[in-house]
Amino acid sequence: EVQLVQSGAEVKKPGESLKISCQTSGYPFTNYWIAWVRQMPGKGLEWMGSIYPSDSDTKYSPSFRGQVTVSADKSVNSAYLQWTSLKASDTAVYYCARLRRWPQGYFDFWGQGTLVPVSS
Amino acid sequence: DIQMTQSPSTLSASIGDRVAITCRASQSISTWLAWYQQKPGKAPQLLIYEASTLESGVPSRFSGTGSGTEFSLTITSLQPDDFATYFCQQYHSFFYTFGQGTKLDIK
Repeated sequence: EVQLVQSGAEVKKPGESLKISCQTSGYPFTNYWIAWVRQMPGKGLEWMGSIYPSDSDTKYSPSFRGQVTVSADKSVNSAYLQWTSLKASDTAVYYCARLRRWPQGYFDFWGQGTLVPVSS
Repeated sequence: DIQMTQSPSTLSASIGDRVAITCRASQSISTWLAWYQQKPGKAPQLLIYEASTLESGVPSRFSGTGSGTEFSLTITSLQPDDFATYFCQQYHSFFYTFGQGTKLDIK
């Protein structure tokens, strides 16, 4: 059974750093791209970036390039999303999702989401 | 970026109704379109890909049509479990973009 299990909610202050995780199981981790998707409160879905764990090839949305870092660790079948300095506007739920194929792919399995409230 | 526009933003319907949601792309995306269902506090779930292919395990009352720039998701005989928000997503380009969502609620 394919599963993507994300790390728990994190309450942060502006300026703090954060790294959230997405642990996968049930399929060959290095064979599929993993993406991160943002959902701000009451809003729609925004693709942030994707990584191919086999070689760490990474693609970013222009809206998020330079704002976050996507990474992966093959040894623990996990992907990560990282900020060096959070802003209040980063408050959102962040989902990881598996891409069924690349580049013309859709998201067939999703993590449960990680809530990141950023407030002073 | 390819812009995706859904209509309506909100749709009220009753159990047993047939409803349709439209998604328009700002340029042709062939049939590189997926539909997702999202319930409050939950992750989206894939319903349809390649514009009209039903994902495994999704009830047959869901169907998708369209190509180019205009697409639709139809749900026949609405069930209580179907009241949720629906999103379209294009994958013509790997700069994936989603529609803004259509909330389907009970009339």
